[in-house]
Amino acid sequence: GQNIDQPTEMTATEGAIVQINCTYQTSGFNGLFWYQQHAGEAPTFLSYNVLDGLEEKGRFSSFLSRSKGYSYLLLKELQMKDSASYLCAVRDGTGAGSYQLTFGKGTKLSVIP
Amino acid sequence: IAGITQAPTSQILAAGRRMTLRCTQDMRHNAMYWYRQDLGLGLRLIHYSNTAGTTGKGEVPDGYSVSRANTDDFPLTLASAVPSQTSVYFCASRKDIQGYGYTFGSGTRLTVV
Repeated sequence: GQNIDQPTEMTATEGAIVQINCTYQTSGFNGLFWYQQHAGEAPTFLSYNVLDGLEEKGRFSSFLSRSKGYSYLLLKELQMKDSASYLCAVRDGTGAGSYQLTFGKGTKLSVIP
Repeated sequence: IAGITQAPTSQILAAGRRMTLRCTQDMRHNAMYWYRQDLGLGLRLIHYSNTAGTTGKGEVPDGYSVSRANTDDFPLTLASAVPSQTSVYFCASRKDIQGYGYTFGSGTRLTVV
């Protein structure tokens, strides 16, 4: 099985930087995903990490340390539209039928003026 | 427009009734998934299908069934609805490329009374 932990809520100021952490325990790690979900909408894909290190995509970056079972999502130059829930998801296993993702409960980020 | 279509958008259902949630994608993705999302519990996998003709059970399959007669359609059936099945249901699909994230449908909000 898998256990994925992330903070329930965070608040940050417009224009600032915020880091959302995710820790996981899994029997066979094969990739970590971050999704953004605005209230009442479907999740949308943000980033993917399978090797250690930082992946940068515009204002968003995601970091992975496999040895520590740890990832973070870094959001720079926060905008009001970044207010959303951020979901950490882990793919466990390498077999042909093992592409299911297990999601954390999500971190609700509120950006304030 | 390529994507995933779910129907209905929302539904109020009497307990004990049978209900099928529809999911259709036109991206020719082989893998498809059904998740339910509940406050405080996050997204949980109900059933999945890695390719047409095959299905598998996820974390919370009881009370639900699926079929995958072709690549495009992946309906979810509640044989006899119960109030605990009140939830938002998301269908998703995935391209067969390493690191490619899920594409989610817009969701079905189901209330069982």
